[in-house]
Amino acid sequence: AQSVTQLGSHVSVSEGALVLLRCNYSSSVPPYLFWYVQYPNQGLQLLLKYTTGATLVKGINGFEAEFKKSETSFHLTKPSAHMSDAAEYFCAVSPNSGNTPLVFGKGTRLSVIA
Amino acid sequence: SAVISQKPSRDICQRGTSLTIQCQVDSQVTMMFWYRQQPGQSLTLIATANQGSEATYESGFVIDKFPISRPNLTFSTLTVSNMSPEDSSIYLCSVEWRMNTEAFFGQGTRLTVV
Repeated sequence: AQSVTQLGSHVSVSEGALVLLRCNYSSSVPPYLFWYVQYPNQGLQLLLKYTTGATLVKGINGFEAEFKKSETSFHLTKPSAHMSDAAEYFCAVSPNSGNTPLVFGKGTRLSVIA
Repeated sequence: SAVISQKPSRDICQRGTSLTIQCQVDSQVTMMFWYRQQPGQSLTLIATANQGSEATYESGFVIDKFPISRPNLTFSTLTVSNMSPEDSSIYLCSVEWRMNTEAFFGQGTRLTVV
């Protein structure tokens, strides 16, 4: 069965610093991978996704993620953190079987310090 | 993409009462899911809402406590029955068009039981 591990339940960075949120997955088939962001009192919003093709995926708000099959990773990065990036971030992997939802990691809370 | 309207956005309820949450999608979708997100926690799948048949519940969730309806391909309801303070959570509706596609989320319902 698929699983997602997000290293670090809480990451704190200074404004302007690099953001790196880690995600490792397990999947018995080539995965589709997703990153979602949840701002306070809101639902989840898709940041970016990897399906096939280019392994470096660019998303909204300056975020990007790189699919590394050899490392089974899909880490999320942003060169320069902004205060508005403070939120909860979830990594997700596609399921093997139909009619079942994406498998989500436990989430990483990003704090940005002025 | 999809526009998902979830109502109510928040509510404060007395213990022992029930609350019904509605999820309306602006187009027909194959898969609809209900999640619970307890304070500071990740998403926990409650059930898959099946159109025209009984919902499929995850381990730890039962129909008597969380009855779900899905009369058509654009609408579903989740009822939280006989509420206790432990039911205080955010409840999220999610849809996916088919396997391996991204999930779209409603804004969530923040429930507080007093």
